[in-house]
Amino acid sequence: GDSVTQTEGQVTVSESKSLIINCTYSTTSIAYPNLFWYVRYPGEGLQLLLKVITAGQKGSSRGFEATYNKETTSFHLQKASVQESDSAVYYCALVRNNNNRIFFGDGTQLVVKP
Amino acid sequence: EAAVTQSPRSKVAVTGGKVTLSCHQTNNHDYMYWYRQDTGHGLRLIHYSYVADSTEKGDIPDGYKASRPSQENFSLILELASLSQTAVYFCASSDRTGGREQYFGPGTRLTVL
Repeated sequence: GDSVTQTEGQVTVSESKSLIINCTYSTTSIAYPNLFWYVRYPGEGLQLLLKVITAGQKGSSRGFEATYNKETTSFHLQKASVQESDSAVYYCALVRNNNNRIFFGDGTQLVVKP
Repeated sequence: EAAVTQSPRSKVAVTGGKVTLSCHQTNNHDYMYWYRQDTGHGLRLIHYSYVADSTEKGDIPDGYKASRPSQENFSLILELASLSQTAVYFCASSDRTGGREQYFGPGTRLTVL
């Protein structure tokens, strides 16, 4: 079946430093899936951070960006300079084009130190 | 205005008791979902629905029932709550077009004692 892997349960970064959160995916679909990053701030539900529906394209939002790499089946999240307000849990996810099932990674807790 | 709301936001239940979690969406979406999240893990799908008066089993339906009385409302029912059902529960909605993002509620923290 389909799956998403996030290797880091927690990442700690100092404010103004760069960030990368790893995500790889696996799918049994012939078609390339849609890829998403969701974020969950404390006390809130998940909200969409960015999405990319075309392999090879890059998505960006709020200073974050992720590139859909179909060769390495990866969708890593990056930011050049993090802020304390970015502290949250980040989830990588995939959805097949032909249905509404979403598969989430386990999430990566980002802690930004002042 | 929040498009997906959940109630209650937090609940403490006793083992063997009945628990009902409610979800309401104003997105006019056909699909609604219930997930649970355990600490350090991703979201797992319990039940979902693509039309009123119909529900489908997700990946972990045992111990849960769902009810979709209208397009806007979707409930999750624990007839006999157990300790292992302590978790955070999220409701979400999406439109009928495949591949689209889901819109989530704020979550309900359920503690079963």
